[in-house]
Amino acid sequence: GNSVTQMEGPVTLSEEAFLTINCTYTATGYPSLFWYVQYPGEGLQLLLKATKADDKGSNKGFEATYRKETTSFHLEKGSVQVSDSAVYFCALSENPGAQKLVFGQGTRLTINP
Amino acid sequence: EPEVTQTPSHQVTQMGQEVILRCVPISNHLYFYWYRQILGQKVEFLVSFYNNEISEKSEIFDDQFSVERPDGSNFTLKIRSTKLEDSAMYFCASVRSNTGELFFGEGSRLTVL
Repeated sequence: GNSVTQMEGPVTLSEEAFLTINCTYTATGYPSLFWYVQYPGEGLQLLLKATKADDKGSNKGFEATYRKETTSFHLEKGSVQVSDSAVYFCALSENPGAQKLVFGQGTRLTINP
Repeated sequence: EPEVTQTPSHQVTQMGQEVILRCVPISNHLYFYWYRQILGQKVEFLVSFYNNEISEKSEIFDDQFSVERPDGSNFTLKIRSTKLEDSAMYFCASVRSNTGELFFGEGSRLTVL
């Protein structure tokens, strides 16, 4: 079946550091890929997505590229801020609509000033 | 900005008791979902609901679980006889169309003693 594996957390960085959170997936067919973020006390929010190979999703300075050859969708940001502290979830969906999502386990990110 | 709201934020119950978790989806949304996350594990799909019936459910969603949209605004998840392993964070989500972005609530934490 489909599955998503994320980098183990928690991750702690200093402000302005470079961030990478690894995500790899196993899927039949050609899934859509997503990163969701959960800020403290809030629900999961869609951060970015990519629906086909080589697509790059980007939002709020975060980027992730759909790599079919390595079955990966790593999340990156060049310079993190304290406000980026949150839990990040990688997810996939078998259809472009992203209704039934398969999630990774989440990675807690803490940014220190 | 419209949002999905969930109540209660945290419920503690005794094993064998019935629990109802409530969700108010965004008002013009048509598709509704429940997901759950057992502590330290992945967020898992439970059930999807459209046009007043279940459209898909996972293996987790057995006869102890039911969903209902009783009054056109609330969307509830009922667990008839809770078990210890039902302790988890339960997330409600909704979407306008089956190709749109899912909006999640902030979750209801259920603790079964």
